[in-house]
Amino acid sequence: NAGVTQTPKFRILKIGQSMTLQCTQDMNHNYMYWYRQDPGMGLKLIYYSVGAGITDKGEVPNGYNVSRSTTEDFPLRLELAAPSQTSVYFCASSYPRTASNQPQHFGDGTRLSIL
Amino acid sequence: AQTVTQSQPEMSVQEAETVTLSCTYDTSESDYYLFWYKQPPSRQMILVIRQEAYKQQNATENRFSVNFQKAAKSFSLKISDSQLGDAAMYFCAYSKNDMRFGAGTRLTVKP
Repeated sequence: NAGVTQTPKFRILKIGQSMTLQCTQDMNHNYMYWYRQDPGMGLKLIYYSVGAGITDKGEVPNGYNVSRSTTEDFPLRLELAAPSQTSVYFCASSYPRTASNQPQHFGDGTRLSIL
Repeated sequence: AQTVTQSQPEMSVQEAETVTLSCTYDTSESDYYLFWYKQPPSRQMILVIRQEAYKQQNATENRFSVNFQKAAKSFSLKISDSQLGDAAMYFCAYSKNDMRFGAGTRLTVKP
């Protein structure tokens, strides 16, 4: 099984550029999440989705947008990249019924640097 | 808001010995879930163990066990017979409607 697949693995952006981080999962999970992990820190939730067409803000949504047109895909968009968005980004998904009691399956992360 | 605190930024253990990683959390909920994740240098997030708050019995997975103290809002992870492959960052996480992570504990295993 591919699980959760994130692309790209690495990217360098200039300030003000935009880009989309791709995330897809093949486990038919309804719940999907985007996190960022700053150096030496834990993960902070950016956005999450409980199903196609539904998205909600997490702890740190400013500067990001998401969409969920299909169950499989949950892209994260940065419209105007800023140095504060330099981080490692993780996408995750979990079993459809309830999010709380199910472990999340994580992608391998995208290391993004804004210069 | 729910917060998760890991008070030990770094811990070290001798191979084959036992180590305990601490985690406390803050919540007004009575029904929730707690997890420990391991993140090796490869950056993968790997589930180690989970605990349902309504269960009094502490979860165990092979060499990994937890000490869940609901009243104290404490959820520590014990690793027995430590192995070199256990070296990693360990994150405690609380889950109700979404998941909140602690800042992590870096575990070093000495041969």
